[in-house]
Amino acid sequence: AQSVTQPDARVTVSEGASLQLRCKYSSSVTPYLFWYVQYPRQGLQLLLKYYSGDPVVQGVNGFEAEFSKSNSSFHLRKASVHWSDSAVYFCAVIPYNNRIFFGDGTQLVVKP
Amino acid sequence: EAAVTQSPRNKVTVTGGNVTLSCRQTNSHNYMYWYRQDTGHGLRLIHYSYGAGNLQIGDVPDGYKATRTTQEDFFLLLELASPSQTSLYFCASSDGTGNYAEQFFGPGTRLTVL
Repeated sequence: AQSVTQPDARVTVSEGASLQLRCKYSSSVTPYLFWYVQYPRQGLQLLLKYYSGDPVVQGVNGFEAEFSKSNSSFHLRKASVHWSDSAVYFCAVIPYNNRIFFGDGTQLVVKP
Repeated sequence: EAAVTQSPRNKVTVTGGNVTLSCRQTNSHNYMYWYRQDTGHGLRLIHYSYGAGNLQIGDVPDGYKATRTTQEDFFLLLELASPSQTSLYFCASSDGTGNYAEQFFGPGTRLTVL
């Protein structure tokens, strides 16, 4: 069963613009939440993770994500994107007492 | 630095061929995973293991076997390869679920079945 949904298969933004990539999860309790990034011809790398506490978590390269229990969401944000941010971004969840599930990914294209 | 390596990086075989993909991790992690990645499907879990000799079935196991020979080594076997198994395969390792669940990924193996 799909536990995580990324509604946008592809997002295009201009360099310097702000970014939000959406992630919705389905779980009766707050799961563990992750964002991974996949650069061309590479494996996935962890950007950030959330377990509990402050709903805004900081990651690498200026990325942050905000957990919302009421919306069952964990959206990824960046204030100003760079062309090197072009990649595929995956949201992932670990529901309670279960294993990890990945979303289908969002392809980010940053235009110069 | 965590390290997961995969071999080969690219493989071409014919329908009905026998293929073994190899994965080695030097993270001292208990868990290892095999995924396939296809456009429109994201990552799909094939098999995983939580230790040498252990094997757990994932979401898309049909046509695949796997074997965990040591804590470091996890193999994926395609004994009668089919074109539908043309894909990008990733291996990953993690220290477990929950608080230690960050997965470390290898660089991937691109398999083409003609």
